[in-house]
Amino acid sequence: DQQVKQNSPSLSVQEGRISILNCDYTNSMFDYFLWYKKYPAEGPTFLISISSIKDKNEDGRFTVFLNKSAKHLSLHIVPSQPGDSAVYFCAARGWGGSNYKLTFGKGTLLTVNP
Amino acid sequence: NAGVTQTPKFQVLKTGQSMTLQCAQDMNHNSMYWYRQDPGMGLRLIYYSASEGTTDKGEVPNGYNVSRLNKREFSLRLESAAPSQTSVYFCASCLLAEITDTQYFGPGTRLTVL
Repeated sequence: DQQVKQNSPSLSVQEGRISILNCDYTNSMFDYFLWYKKYPAEGPTFLISISSIKDKNEDGRFTVFLNKSAKHLSLHIVPSQPGDSAVYFCAARGWGGSNYKLTFGKGTLLTVNP
Repeated sequence: NAGVTQTPKFQVLKTGQSMTLQCAQDMNHNSMYWYRQDPGMGLRLIYYSASEGTTDKGEVPNGYNVSRLNKREFSLRLESAAPSQTSVYFCASCLLAEITDTQYFGPGTRLTVL
């Protein structure tokens, strides 16, 4: 059963416009959510995160929104730039004892066209 | 700081052969993780080690073994490789000292099993 879902495999936007990437989760025990960005032939890199006790976190052009009642989060990129073209993974953290594990979505390929 | 390093970058095996994927981190992190990434499947946790001397199974551990050699190094072994293990393998590490700790990923090992 997929606990973290990214239902859009791909998204294409024009440079300068807003990109909105969506993520849904099913496990209400997740306490922390992260977005990772991945370029081809590289490892994922951390982008932005949000605690379950907040509903918004902003870092420059990137903003993550969390709607806990709907179990939904979104990543907004404004303005979008060609260098933002990458696969974006949503991840949710759950605790297993004293450890922490991330559950990842399948990713969304963002293409920003010049 | 090299961060998280993985060797080799590429490997081709025949069915039934064995190999060990190496991972090392120089950030003095406590926890280390092995993931595999398959097309359309996102990142799936194979094994993790919360601290030196401990290892635990993740979501897809069958066919793999791990060794936390010391605080820096965490290896993944395929005893008898199968074509279903063709994938890109990522190692990650995390300090795991604060609630906002994130995982840092290596560049990946692309493995093909014929």
